[in-house]
Amino acid sequence: SSELTQDPAVSVALGQTVRITCQGDGLRNYHASWYQQKPGQAPVTVIYRKDNRPSGIPDRFSGSSSGDTASLTITGAQAEDEADYYCGSRDTSANHVVFGGGTKLTVL
Amino acid sequence: EVQLVESGGDLVQPGRSLRLSCVASGFNFNDYAMHWVRQVPGKGLEWVSGLTWNSGAIGYADSVKGRFTISRDNAKNSLYLQMNSLRPEDTAFYYCAKDPFSYCSTTTCLTSGAFDIWGQGTKVVVSS
Repeated sequence: SSELTQDPAVSVALGQTVRITCQGDGLRNYHASWYQQKPGQAPVTVIYRKDNRPSGIPDRFSGSSSGDTASLTITGAQAEDEADYYCGSRDTSANHVVFGGGTKLTVL
Repeated sequence: EVQLVESGGDLVQPGRSLRLSCVASGFNFNDYAMHWVRQVPGKGLEWVSGLTWNSGAIGYADSVKGRFTISRDNAKNSLYLQMNSLRPEDTAFYYCAKDPFSYCSTTTCLTSGAFDIWGQGTKVVVSS
């Protein structure tokens, strides 16, 4: 099956810009989506299918991709953005959905 | 307000069955594919199953294929997950999630990994 690889942890200073990446061969052909999860809460979608932002999600969240890597960029990170972030996409080998292992974002 | 509310989670012995439900409100449930995603506490997300708006295409993770059955009742705005032959490794929070695009009708569309709305989850514990 295809895999999506994320850095386990990333940190950013308050108000600065941070990029969280997701790497996988399948991303050359299929878009990634991004999910935010805070402790004890359900996931929340921040970006779906590369660069679509659900209503209510601040525009400091944006998505992009290049080659086999998808990125979630937070421009001007806020304290409330501290969370785990998961990417998801299509598992090209098995007609499944696959998620990355998650990135823990710390806002300093 | 768009909302998904799961129920049915419980403590159950290995080998037994359980049925999860998800009731949707605030959008045209009939028009959207729906999914179940689970998460072992402290671990990552795992897609369990999904089905298209008309149940014409259905997908399962290998880990549950042959044991779990997804279904929907559009008249009741409800999604279900029938879980049979439960194993300890099925212990997790189970989330209902909505596909963001209407009239997704193919397996390729169904397994894009895109969800826009999530429920709050229901906890399943499989233990003797």
